[in-house]
Amino acid sequence: AQSVAQPEDQVNVAEGNPLTVKCTYSVSGNPYLFWYVQYPNRGLQFLLKYITGDNLVKGSYGFEAEFNKSQTSFHLKKPSALVSDSALYFCAAYNFNKFYFGSGTKLNVKP
Amino acid sequence: DVKVTQSSRYLVKRTGEKVFLECVQDMDHENMFWYRQDPGLGLRLIYFSYDVKMKEKGDIPEGYSVSREKKERFSLILESASTNQTSMYLCASSLRGQGYEQYFGPGTRLTVT
Repeated sequence: AQSVAQPEDQVNVAEGNPLTVKCTYSVSGNPYLFWYVQYPNRGLQFLLKYITGDNLVKGSYGFEAEFNKSQTSFHLKKPSALVSDSALYFCAAYNFNKFYFGSGTKLNVKP
Repeated sequence: DVKVTQSSRYLVKRTGEKVFLECVQDMDHENMFWYRQDPGLGLRLIYFSYDVKMKEKGDIPEGYSVSREKKERFSLILESASTNQTSMYLCASSLRGQGYEQYFGPGTRLTVT
C-alpha cells in the first residue's frame, strides 16, 4: 500500500535552534513531494514542494526540505526556529492523480 | 491569491439528519477534493472531482456523496449523519496536472450528536 510516514507525533525545539521534521514515503514511481503547515483552527497552507532537480528545496517562511531518493525521505528543516513556527506539519506525496498525506507532526518551539 | 471558502466553520447536527457542506474556490481550478481530518490519522480523502459533474471515490467514501454542478463549487453530502462522522472536514482545490499543490479552505468542524 502507498503511504507517507511521519515518525514523530511531536517535535520540541528551543527558539533559535535548528529544527527537523521527518518524513518518509512509500509511493511507487517518482512522486512529487510536499510540505504543508496547519495553524490552529485553520486549513492547510502550502510550504514547499519537490518535483525534480536540486535535492534541497527552499520554501516559505525560511523553511527548506531535503529530498533523499535512496532513503525515500523528504525532511523539513529550518536553520533557526521561531515561536511562531509552532503548528502542525503535514508531509504529502502525489502520484498517479492521488495525494497521500502523513499523519502530521506537531512542532512546539519554546521561547 | 487563491481563495477556498467553506460554508460553515462549526456545525452541530443530530444523528440521522442530512448534512450539506459547501465549498467554493475562486481560481478556476479543475480539481476539487474533500478530506476529513482526525487526530493521529492525518487527512483521508473522501471524494475528489476533476471536472464538472465528474467525481471519483477516495479512501473513505462510505456514508458520503458529492455534487459538482459548477466548476467553482463542490458539495459534500452526508445522507444520514452518524456520530462517527464527527470530524474536521477540509475542502481543497488545485489545477489539473502533475505537481500542482492543493489550496485548502479553513475547514468545517462537524459534530453529530
